[in-house]
Amino acid sequence: AQKVTQAQTEISVVEKEDVTLDCVYETRDTTYYLFWYKQPPSGELVFLIRRNSFDEQNEISGRYSWNFQKSTSSFNFTITASQVVDSAVYFCALSAGYSTLTFGKGTMLLVSP
Amino acid sequence: AAGVIQSPRHLIKEKRETATLKCYPIPRHDTVYWYQQGPGQDPQFLISFYEKMQSDKGSIPDRFSAQQFSDYHSELNMSSLELGDSALYFCASSLGRDDSPLHFGNGTRLTVT
Repeated sequence: AQKVTQAQTEISVVEKEDVTLDCVYETRDTTYYLFWYKQPPSGELVFLIRRNSFDEQNEISGRYSWNFQKSTSSFNFTITASQVVDSAVYFCALSAGYSTLTFGKGTMLLVSP
Repeated sequence: AAGVIQSPRHLIKEKRETATLKCYPIPRHDTVYWYQQGPGQDPQFLISFYEKMQSDKGSIPDRFSAQQFSDYHSELNMSSLELGDSALYFCASSLGRDDSPLHFGNGTRLTVT
C-alpha cells in the first residue's frame, strides 16, 4: 500500500518569506516516483516536478527547490521569496510500480502581501 | 503544447439524472486516468485505461462507467446522480503506464442539485 502524508494542512506567510512544504511517503516498492502538483484557486492541477526513487539529487527551478531524502522518506518543497501568486493548494503524490498516483491531503499555502 | 482537454468545464445536473464527461488526451498519449476531487479533498483515483482497455480500477461507484475509444479519448458516464457526486472530475493522460508523469486537464466541475 502507498501512503503520502502532508502534515501541514495550511500555512500562512507574508510575501518574500521562504516556506517549506513537507511530504512524507510510504511504499514497499523500491522503484517509485514522487510528484508535486499545484492547484490554484481556479482549480486546475499544475504539474511541478517528478523525481524517481533512484535520483536523490536536489533540484532547483527558479524560486522552487525540492529536497528528496530516501533515508527519511521525505520529499519536501521549498518556495523562496514567496509571492502572492504562490497561494494555492500543493499536493505531493506518489506512484509505485504500475499503480496510479496517490495524493496527499494537500497543503494550502496563503501568501499575504 | 497541446494539453489534456476536458469538456464540459462546468455541469449542473439534478439528482437521478445522468452525466457524461469527456476527455481528450495529449496527442500520442495512450493512457487515460479519471480522478474525483470532492470539496476540500485530495483527488481520488477512479479508473484508468491503457490502449483502450481498462488497466486499473479505484473507488469508482457502480453507477459510473467509462471507456476509452479508438482515438484514445475517454468518456466517464455517471448515472443516478447523487448530491455526493458533486465534485471536480479530472482526467489525466500519460504515455505508457509506468514511469510517465500524468498531465491533468483543467477538470469538469459537476454540481448535482
